[in-house]
Amino acid sequence: AQTVTQSQPEMSVQEAETVTLSCTYDTSESDYYLFWYKQPPSRQMILVIRQEAYKQQNATENRFSVNFQKAAKSFSLKISDSQLGDAAMYFCAYRSASGANSKLTFGKGITLSVRP
Amino acid sequence: DTAVSQTPKYLVTQMGNDKSIKCEQNLGHDTMYWYKQDSKKFLKIMFSYNNKELIINETVPNRFSPKSPDKAHLNLHINSLELGDSAVYFCASSQRKTGGFQETQYFGPGTRLLVL
Repeated sequence: AQTVTQSQPEMSVQEAETVTLSCTYDTSESDYYLFWYKQPPSRQMILVIRQEAYKQQNATENRFSVNFQKAAKSFSLKISDSQLGDAAMYFCAYRSASGANSKLTFGKGITLSVRP
Repeated sequence: DTAVSQTPKYLVTQMGNDKSIKCEQNLGHDTMYWYKQDSKKFLKIMFSYNNKELIINETVPNRFSPKSPDKAHLNLHINSLELGDSAVYFCASSQRKTGGFQETQYFGPGTRLLVL
């Protein structure tokens, strides 16, 4: 079974600075997807970024980028130029590329606070 | 024009009651999911339907019964509610592509259930 580990329960960053959120996972599969979801106080789950395991290039979405290390099974999220609106809980998630197993397996999440 | 909607958003009820949560998506997706987020914010898959067919059924008490009248709707009925059922329940949807691969899952706003 796949597992996702987010070992840091909380992090804090100064506004306009850069922060990196860590995530590791365990799987025996070679093809899969990795995601970062953001959950602000409104409770809505918002997709931040997605990475296909077969792609060597790290995904980027504006101020958000990932450092995907397949051999190390590591998938960290970097937030540049942090904004107050980035304060939220962030979840790392894994999904098999096998069509029959489309569920997301989540890490425990990390609470990010942004200091003005 | 909400993509994935859930009703109700809040549900407070007594132990032993039966309640339902409804989910609708207007994204044209063919796969829908129910996730449970517990008091520690941990998210876990409960069920998944593809074109009204149950494809994922995790270890969930049989007091929980999903129903999919069509591929745009997935409802969750809970019998004999217990204190431990208190949680936030999220509906999500995605589209199965050629080869069985699933596209990104989009989440509803969540339903906060409190059992007294």
